[in-house]
Amino acid sequence: GAGVSQSPRYKVAKRGQDVALRCDPISGHVSLFWYQQALGQGPEFLTYFQNEAQLDKSGLPSDRFFAERPEGSVSTLKIQRTQQEDSAVYLCASSLWDSYNEKLFFGSGTQLSVL
Amino acid sequence: GDSVTQMEGPVTLSEEAFLTINCTYTATGYPSLFWYVQYPGEGLQLLLKATKADDKGSNKGFEATYRKETTSFHLEKGSVQVSDSAVYFCALLKSQGGSEKLVFGKGTKLTVNP
Repeated sequence: GAGVSQSPRYKVAKRGQDVALRCDPISGHVSLFWYQQALGQGPEFLTYFQNEAQLDKSGLPSDRFFAERPEGSVSTLKIQRTQQEDSAVYLCASSLWDSYNEKLFFGSGTQLSVL
Repeated sequence: GDSVTQMEGPVTLSEEAFLTINCTYTATGYPSLFWYVQYPGEGLQLLLKATKADDKGSNKGFEATYRKETTSFHLEKGSVQVSDSAVYFCALLKSQGGSEKLVFGKGTKLTVNP
């Protein structure tokens, strides 16, 4: 595709619900990243995939957060039993290779609001 | 740990004014440094980068120089335009345990008035 696509653009969830956020990276991009951006803050790293392998999940805030990229392309970030503190914009980014010194392309994000 | 500190906004300027957005970092070693920009309704975009000390990154009239002595990477533009209105993020690349991740500042919102 022309860019990184994320869906849904907006998601409202009741506290305790499970949500799934989707990321379609640019075709052929090896690396895929998830970031969380709270209101008024910079993005914070959640997890990193190289193809289908999840090489770093050190930024996931709790075991309620789970990410997968089973075929090395589309990725899903799942949040179980959502809490109000999970409200944020979730950003996905991809790059052609495995180094940030290559250009990193971000999607427009999914804005999650937990009521 | 590694961190980035940016000047707080919002910053409001008139068209053709000079822009400086300050950025300082704390890190072990000499990480690559970046400025990202987020235009309204769009995703983050790489604006410029510098990978080693004394490098100058430049793009679209913006410049930033990697100063290891002052651990700074200030963003400058000589004459801003209305279309430069956006949120600007300074970031460093942190390498740890075979993985790399960007560490961002909180962002500085710039509004340029005609």
